[in-house]
Amino acid sequence: GNSVTQMEGPVTLSEEAFLTINCTYTATGYPSLFWYVQYPGEGLQLLLKATKADDKGSNKGFEATYRKETTSFHLEKGSVQVSDSAVYFCALSLNAGGTSYGKLTFGQGTILTVHP
Amino acid sequence: DTGVSQNPRHKITKRGQNVTFRCDPISEHNRLYWYRQTLGQGPEFLTYFQNEAQLEKSRLLSDRFSAERPKGSFSTLEIQRTEQGDSAMYLCASSLDRGRVGEEAFFGQGTRLTVV
Repeated sequence: GNSVTQMEGPVTLSEEAFLTINCTYTATGYPSLFWYVQYPGEGLQLLLKATKADDKGSNKGFEATYRKETTSFHLEKGSVQVSDSAVYFCALSLNAGGTSYGKLTFGQGTILTVHP
Repeated sequence: DTGVSQNPRHKITKRGQNVTFRCDPISEHNRLYWYRQTLGQGPEFLTYFQNEAQLEKSRLLSDRFSAERPKGSFSTLEIQRTEQGDSAMYLCASSLDRGRVGEEAFFGQGTRLTVV
């Protein structure tokens, strides 16, 4: 079946540190890959996405590259801020015939805490 | 548009009681999803509607769970004869199927159910 595995957390960093959160996936076919973020007291929201191999998604200084050869979609940010403290979820959705099935399969989430 | 709205935000119920949750999606979105999230885990897919048609149900969804989306607008999720294991956050999401890959889902803030 389809699955997403994220690095075990939580992750605690100082402000301006470099962030990597690892994500690997197993899927039939060629999925689209996503990072969703959940800030305290808020709902899940899309952070970035990539829809084909070697695509790089980016937003708010975060980046992730779709690596088909390693089935990975690791999230990175060069300099984190206190406001980046949140729970980060890697997810995939399957595609067929150029359209999306829409249903998301999520990893277990990684809690990031950034200290001043 | 204020996004995806879920009501109630919190529900405490006694074991064996029935509960119903409501989700109002973004108005032009034709797809609606229900997910369940327990502490420390990522959301797990429960069921999915395209307009008013329920197209997929997870094997996680026992016979005690039923969902509807009359007229393809709001949706309700009912749990009959609740059990303590039903305690979780129930998330609703909606999206617009444009016939492309990488479709973004918009999530509500969820309904937290506690069964005592």
